[in-house]
Amino acid sequence: DVKVTQSSRYLVKRTGEKVFLECVQDMDHENMFWYRQDPGLGLRLIYFSYDVKMKEKGDIPEGYSVSREKKERFSLILESASTNQTSMYLCASSQGTGSYGYTFGSGTRLTVV
Amino acid sequence: EDQVTQSPEALRLQEGESSSLNCSYTVSGLRGLFWYRQDPGKGPEFLFTLYSAGEEKEKERLKATLTKKESFLHITAPKPEDSATYLCAVRGGYSSASKIIFGSGTRLSIRP
Repeated sequence: DVKVTQSSRYLVKRTGEKVFLECVQDMDHENMFWYRQDPGLGLRLIYFSYDVKMKEKGDIPEGYSVSREKKERFSLILESASTNQTSMYLCASSQGTGSYGYTFGSGTRLTVV
Repeated sequence: EDQVTQSPEALRLQEGESSSLNCSYTVSGLRGLFWYRQDPGKGPEFLFTLYSAGEEKEKERLKATLTKKESFLHITAPKPEDSATYLCAVRGGYSSASKIIFGSGTRLSIRP
């Protein structure tokens, strides 16, 4: 089974801190994605990557950046955390072409105080 | 614009009471329709992929069907452990880089 592992289940950070969320997948998938999920707003795409060192903005990239130096690892960076970035963050991966769905990690619940 | 709408937002059933969840979609060139289950505080877990109208998939008490405009997730004789949020998503377009569009989900609660 494909496994997508997010480094932390729960994080508490202070306003203004730089925050790194890490995601690793073990099935050589080309595509990786970062979403945030908030009650009433559903899943919103932050950034995605189709290949190493490639990144594209999703629907809500403001306040975030990403890094993909290796195929299996996709990092989400909050440059200066703010309280409105308190959310559940979900990483996903998929194969590159065709009609494949996504495999999700278990999520990171981030609280910014 | 590609769109996915799920109904109802929430559904409460008695154990053993069968029902259906609806997913209506608008997409150019459907490449796949996906159903996920999400438990509170966890990531979505893949259930089914459907590719063309008329296709059906089954897993235990769940059965997913697909038409050209909507998909149904039928739940037969549900148990309390089937309580979760069920997400529908579509992948469309003609590019291999096309993204998946998610619906907002249906919260299903099964009372013992």
